[in-house]
Amino acid sequence: GESVGLHLPTLSVQEGDNSIINCAYSNSASDYFIWYKQESGKGPQFIIDIRSNMDKRQGQRVTVLLNKTVKHLSLQIAATQPGDSAVYFCASLTQGGSEKLVFGKGTKLTVNP
Amino acid sequence: DARVTQTPRHKVTEMGQEVTMRCQPILGHNTVFWYRQTMMQGLELLAYFRNRAPLDDSGMPKDRFSAEMPDATLATLKIQPSEPRDSAVYFCASLRQTQGAGELFFGEGSRLTVL
Repeated sequence: GESVGLHLPTLSVQEGDNSIINCAYSNSASDYFIWYKQESGKGPQFIIDIRSNMDKRQGQRVTVLLNKTVKHLSLQIAATQPGDSAVYFCASLTQGGSEKLVFGKGTKLTVNP
Repeated sequence: DARVTQTPRHKVTEMGQEVTMRCQPILGHNTVFWYRQTMMQGLELLAYFRNRAPLDDSGMPKDRFSAEMPDATLATLKIQPSEPRDSAVYFCASLRQTQGAGELFFGEGSRLTVL
């Protein structure tokens, strides 16, 4: 079955540093990946996505890298700010199959001032 | 500002009681999902609908949970009877599809506590 997991449950960084959050997936047929940010007491919020025909995609201060060979993706946050403190989830989808997004357990990012 | 609206935001009830959670998806979104979030299990998909028709409810305990979409603007998740293990945050999300995939928009969640 498809599963998505995270390497580290927590990550603590200093304000201004870059953050890297990692995620592994198990289904090689997964072809669409999304990163979500969840702040305390709120629902997950879309950050960035990437399709399997790409290995890198950049947004505002965020970059997602996809390595299909080892079934790994990462979220890089540049110049991390206190407002980035949240739980980050990766999710994967196989577009040709079920539309069910499979979420990882989440990584809690804490940004220290 | 379009968003998914869920009610109630918080619900405390006693074991055995019926609980109904409601969701108003974003206008024009034709796919609606129900997720449950706990510390132990993370985000679990319970059920989802497209054009009001249930497509998959395999993640939902059938004996006590039911999900419906009476119309395009309302999705409901009902638990009867509720049990302490149902305590969780229940999220509704709706999907704007673009070329077969899209970003899921989540509501703020309904935090359920069953005593």
